[in-house]
Amino acid sequence: SQQGEEDPQALSIQEGENATMNCSYKTSINNLQWYRQNSGRGLVHLILIRSNEREKHSGRLRVTLDTSKKSSSLLITASRAADTASYFCATDARSNQAGTALIFGKGTTLSVSS
Amino acid sequence: DGGITQSPKYLFRKEGQNVTLSCEQNLNHDAMYWYRQDPGQGLRLIYYSQIVNDFQKGDIAEGYSVSREKKESFPLTVTSAQKNPTAFYLCASTWDPRNTEAFFGQGTRLTVV
Repeated sequence: SQQGEEDPQALSIQEGENATMNCSYKTSINNLQWYRQNSGRGLVHLILIRSNEREKHSGRLRVTLDTSKKSSSLLITASRAADTASYFCATDARSNQAGTALIFGKGTTLSVSS
Repeated sequence: DGGITQSPKYLFRKEGQNVTLSCEQNLNHDAMYWYRQDPGQGLRLIYYSQIVNDFQKGDIAEGYSVSREKKESFPLTVTSAQKNPTAFYLCASTWDPRNTEAFFGQGTRLTVV
């Protein structure tokens, strides 16, 4: 079953605008990660936020985490056409003696037009 | 350069055939994962392995098998029991999923012909 659910499923904006996408999850986590996927390619890691952190920045990316609401948001500021991609959140939700699985959401498809 | 390599990039399977997708990493990562991605969908976990000679089923393991005989290799076999295998398959590895990022291969696109 999916752990993370991104919202919205699709987002279309103009260059220069900010893009915000949200992720909700169901169980307790050690960290939450955001990934980017260009069409037909593998995923690339963007940022990792730990359960004891509330906000983290990396360049034009800002991630927040609210463990009480089991939700996270990814903000991309001053978007560019090159930001067009799908964005996924992932959590280390399934952890037992046998190992820890990274569980992904269904993703948000971002389209930035010039 | 360190990284994770999947091969082949494209694979065609006839009905009733087993096919094996390769995943190799030289990052010295302990954990490796296989995911399936259908068009416009998220990633669904097939199998994962935390350590050599051990692996666990994910959410959609039926019709798939894996092995982990070496730390750097985690091949996935799509068996004839998988009724709808056409999809994009992604392999990933990480040192510790509770604390570190995952690295992904470029994927294998499998098509049943």
